[in-house]
Amino acid sequence: DTAVSQTPKYLVTQMGNDKSIKCEQNLGHDTMYWYKQDSKKFLKIMFSYNNKELIINETVPNRFSPKSPDKAHLNLHINSLELGDSAVYFCASSSGQSRYEQYFGPGTRLTVT
Amino acid sequence: AQSVSQHNHHVILSEAASLELGCNYSYGGTVNLFWYVQYPGQHLQLLLKYFSGDPLVKGIKGFEAEFIKSKFSFNLRKPSVQWSDTAEYFCAVKVSTDKLIFGTGTRLQVFP
Repeated sequence: DTAVSQTPKYLVTQMGNDKSIKCEQNLGHDTMYWYKQDSKKFLKIMFSYNNKELIINETVPNRFSPKSPDKAHLNLHINSLELGDSAVYFCASSSGQSRYEQYFGPGTRLTVT
Repeated sequence: AQSVSQHNHHVILSEAASLELGCNYSYGGTVNLFWYVQYPGQHLQLLLKYFSGDPLVKGIKGFEAEFIKSKFSFNLRKPSVQWSDTAEYFCAVKVSTDKLIFGTGTRLQVFP
């Protein structure tokens, strides 16, 4: 009965590789987000999708490409991984009727070596 | 630009001590305010939120926060902390879009 789930939980990869992180929510929410938490615990939004439409796109390198196949899923694909991409990536979701609360997933710890 | 400041970066307390974590935001319009907690190795969980009405908001686990509009503040309080409160605490502001702007977080360590 997990509300927001992410896979994988840990991801270790080498520079230059391409990887994807998946996010699914079973809350019936229509808006989903990706956040990046750096080594200093600073959280910053990267993307937001509403009904599969991109509505927030912060200044993120275009190596990062979100994909929303449906309202319940928002995946993050990263090309040509760099050392600086190492972080914890959190997915979140919220409801159109109550957009004020965002529910977070457990995070994916990405380590680029 | 909107921003959120948490001036206490690291707070160390003994059990039963009182806690107050500061949060100030910069935005002149209507705001929705949140405190999230992140226990070690876990995801963010909502502690409490303010939308409107009574500026004193009560959340889970005995936490409360007071919205003071004139001071652009939303400080988090707990009268008596427990070892299990050891975590990272994040203040966040939601402005006119769906975007949450987070503060830099406050690491709380509670010793028995």
